[in-house]
Amino acid sequence: DSGVTQTPKHLITATGQRVTLRCSPRSGDLSVYWYQQSLDQGLQFLIQYYNGEERAKGNILERFSAQQFPDLHSELNLSSLELGDSALYFCASSVASGRAGETQYFGPGTRLLVL
Amino acid sequence: AQKVTQAQTEISVVEKEDVTLDCVYETRDTTYYLFWYKQPPSGELVFLIRRNSFDEQNEISGRYSWNFQKSTSSFNFTITASQVVDSAVYFCALSDLAGGTSYGKLTFGQGTILTVHP
Repeated sequence: DSGVTQTPKHLITATGQRVTLRCSPRSGDLSVYWYQQSLDQGLQFLIQYYNGEERAKGNILERFSAQQFPDLHSELNLSSLELGDSALYFCASSVASGRAGETQYFGPGTRLLVL
Repeated sequence: AQKVTQAQTEISVVEKEDVTLDCVYETRDTTYYLFWYKQPPSGELVFLIRRNSFDEQNEISGRYSWNFQKSTSSFNFTITASQVVDSAVYFCALSDLAGGTSYGKLTFGQGTILTVHP
């Protein structure tokens, strides 16, 4: 158990809908990262937050957004869902500002299925 | 740009065999960090090891060992006397400075599926 929690574990929804994935980092960690794992794209970095501020952006679609709250939990919002958004979404956390080299500990993931 | 290549898509071995998972990386930075993660059938990603670019010493942890060679840009992972519980997908990942813009972004390889048969 990494100490990172993600809810829900599974999510089934329809195209065009909007969902929110939630992540709580390990106690004391200030940085949160979101990754998407799909069969065709593999594991892709989406976005990173440090202490409430966005730090880095990866291949995140405009239909996707995220934020980190004052209590350091983070939410990833996915809207206008398409079939291709079906994937496993991971949250990870690290202890400090999230610079290169910090070990990221991953949550169990949220498996999203868009029908 | 950062890139990680795990050329072996799938490896199948019999229990007690040794197995090496290959990882080759590309980066323009002189300071970078390499990681290995394990993804068992249950799906979570488990951290195994972190290595920085200035430390080329090989590392051993129980049945696991890692061979880092900057000259060939490789960071290979060996499991000695494999066990059925080692069956998983293994990912190699790279984190570099990328001009200060990447922060902690991890670039992952495509993963190697390891199956250990009893």
